[in-house]
Amino acid sequence: GAVVSQHPSWVICKSGTSVKIECRSLDFQATTMFWYRQFPKQSLMLMATSNEGSKATYEQGVEKDKFLINHASLTLSTLTVTSAHPEDSSFYICSARGDYSNQPQHFGDGTRLSIL
Amino acid sequence: LAKTTQPISMDSYEGQEVNITCSHNNIATNDYITWYQQFPSQGPRFIIQGYKTKVTNEVASLFIPADRKSSTLSLPRVSLSDTAVYYCLVGDKTTNNDMRFGAGTRLTVKP
Repeated sequence: GAVVSQHPSWVICKSGTSVKIECRSLDFQATTMFWYRQFPKQSLMLMATSNEGSKATYEQGVEKDKFLINHASLTLSTLTVTSAHPEDSSFYICSARGDYSNQPQHFGDGTRLSIL
Repeated sequence: LAKTTQPISMDSYEGQEVNITCSHNNIATNDYITWYQQFPSQGPRFIIQGYKTKVTNEVASLFIPADRKSSTLSLPRVSLSDTAVYYCLVGDKTTNNDMRFGAGTRLTVKP
């Protein structure tokens, strides 16, 4: 159980394009979802936390107009990288958690984004 | 927010038991301790979670002393496929402060 699906797993696009990444909890209701960014050989950096039906909370230094997050249902959150540039190239990972006490996060397999 | 400290890297050989310790001196009363494993180009995978004493599942054990200022992840009889980065996270789900990752421990298992 506790499967999180992330799509696409890999995307290459031109500079200036907007890219949407989907994160779905397949077998549980995710009241909270998280988005991370990871550069090579580095740890995961939390970008934002989203709760179903409300606006996402962004970490300091993360541009909310650049990284649009929508968590419209208990099983789906999306991250849209708007007007992407080469410096936005990274590995983006989502995680989801249900409502049970101290239920751990469950992670998707990540999206490799390359902006040319 | 409890900060965690782990060794940057560890080496081991196949068949050995590996213990990775995480220090979290300012752990709060409601904080849980959770360990994740990450392979290259994949999302982290949940290993084990605990609050105090000892927790064991089919892949690992987690030892937490009475003062809870540290925890030790124990991997029995590691294999080459256990080569990965291991992260210790400490926090309280109700405040959403348990999702910030430290540097992790890069475990290399050699034949």
